[in-house]
Amino acid sequence: DIRMTQSPSTLSASVGDRVTITCRASESISDWLAWYQQKPGKAPKLLIYRTSSLESGVPSRFSGSGFGTEFTLIIKSLQPDDFATYYCQQYVTYSPITFGPGTKVEIK
Amino acid sequence: QLQLQESGPGLVKPSETLSLTCSVSGDSINSRIYYWGWIRQSPGKGLEYIGAIYYSGTTYFNPSLKSRVTISLDTSKNQFSLSLTSLTAADTAVYYCARRSGSGWWYFDSWGQGFLVTVSS
Repeated sequence: DIRMTQSPSTLSASVGDRVTITCRASESISDWLAWYQQKPGKAPKLLIYRTSSLESGVPSRFSGSGFGTEFTLIIKSLQPDDFATYYCQQYVTYSPITFGPGTKVEIK
Repeated sequence: QLQLQESGPGLVKPSETLSLTCSVSGDSINSRIYYWGWIRQSPGKGLEYIGAIYYSGTTYFNPSLKSRVTISLDTSKNQFSLSLTSLTAADTAVYYCARRSGSGWWYFDSWGQGFLVTVSS
């Protein structure tokens, strides 16, 4: 299986901050990476697919980049609604798709 | 507006079989565009892909669970179901049903709210 790691595991930030989350794959996944946002007690919500394509309805303050084994999710100016846990997921292979362990963005 | 809703028993005994159903509204599971899948989340293993099914009955499973998993369709009710056998405490998790993207690539663009299953005697 392709192993996904994320850093940091927890991030403390303030409203208005620029936030960067890193996701790494154990082998190259080209640009086949998605990002999800999850709030407590809720299902993950798709934010970004194919590394940098924003899902419909997702604010433009979210952006993604990367290729191969290293990827980043950037929140340009953190808003109160953005405090959540963020997961990356590789889909270069469906057997199986795998998720990162998550990065919790909490209020500083 | 697509909605997915999981249902089933919240408590199951070890060694027994879990059966969960996902009811879909706002789209047809007979669609030739989408796969319909199951993903679970536990504190110990995080988010874990279980498997998915296509309208034709084609399925793709996580190899680590394949021997214990069945996914089926009930087109008359617009539902799909998960069966997981030989349960242990490690199967305790929130189970989500989800729709795979219509792009043909394996990410999930719509999820149910999740259903907590506890395996305990």
